[in-house]
Amino acid sequence: GAGVSQSPRYKVAKRGQDVALRCDPISGHVSLFWYQQALGQGPEFLTYFQNEAQLDKSGLPSDRFFAERPEGSVSTLKIQRTQQEDSAVYLCASSLEGGQGIEQFFGPGTRLTVL
Amino acid sequence: GNSVTQMEGPVTLSEEAFLTINCTYTATGYPSLFWYVQYPGEGLQLLLKATKADDKGSNKGFEATYRKETTSFHLEKGSVQVSDSAVYFCALSLRGGYNKLIFGAGTRLAVHP
Repeated sequence: GAGVSQSPRYKVAKRGQDVALRCDPISGHVSLFWYQQALGQGPEFLTYFQNEAQLDKSGLPSDRFFAERPEGSVSTLKIQRTQQEDSAVYLCASSLEGGQGIEQFFGPGTRLTVL
Repeated sequence: GNSVTQMEGPVTLSEEAFLTINCTYTATGYPSLFWYVQYPGEGLQLLLKATKADDKGSNKGFEATYRKETTSFHLEKGSVQVSDSAVYFCALSLRGGYNKLIFGAGTRLAVHP
């Protein structure tokens, strides 16, 4: 079956531009996570959705970052007025539920480069 | 705070050598522990997990035991193959935390024939 997909795979933005990154989770997965992975580092949590409800956005680094999942399926991570420090790989993951220990399935990521 | 510390890489081994990648954690409560692997050009995938103390996770010849007394979850494999070359991430999740993962920095493994 289809896994988690993300688009675009690569995005180059000029500083100050707005970008939108899309995640298509596995069908039927209730939980959706966004992570940010800087070069040479492990992923860091950004935000969590249970269906359409954003239950945890404690990892969003600034108010320039905004995420939504309006129908409880596809999610979009939007970054306004991009800065060079936003350059990273953005990973989306989904799981059947949000219980502790449940496996998360990761997408291939979107590599964002801000010039 | 909650965190995961992994041994720094790269780790370079010859085929059929024994592998250990150390992982220790700091966490409030009783976390679940995971090893994820990222093969070249691919996304992160779960390798193994353990959800309580003394549990052993295993998959594809890899093993890790949840050691509460030493707050560790070291990854081992008895005989590595070239195809095991990848980046390995240790991670934890906390009860009541929606299962969000806290990752270590990753350890790159290179296996030579």
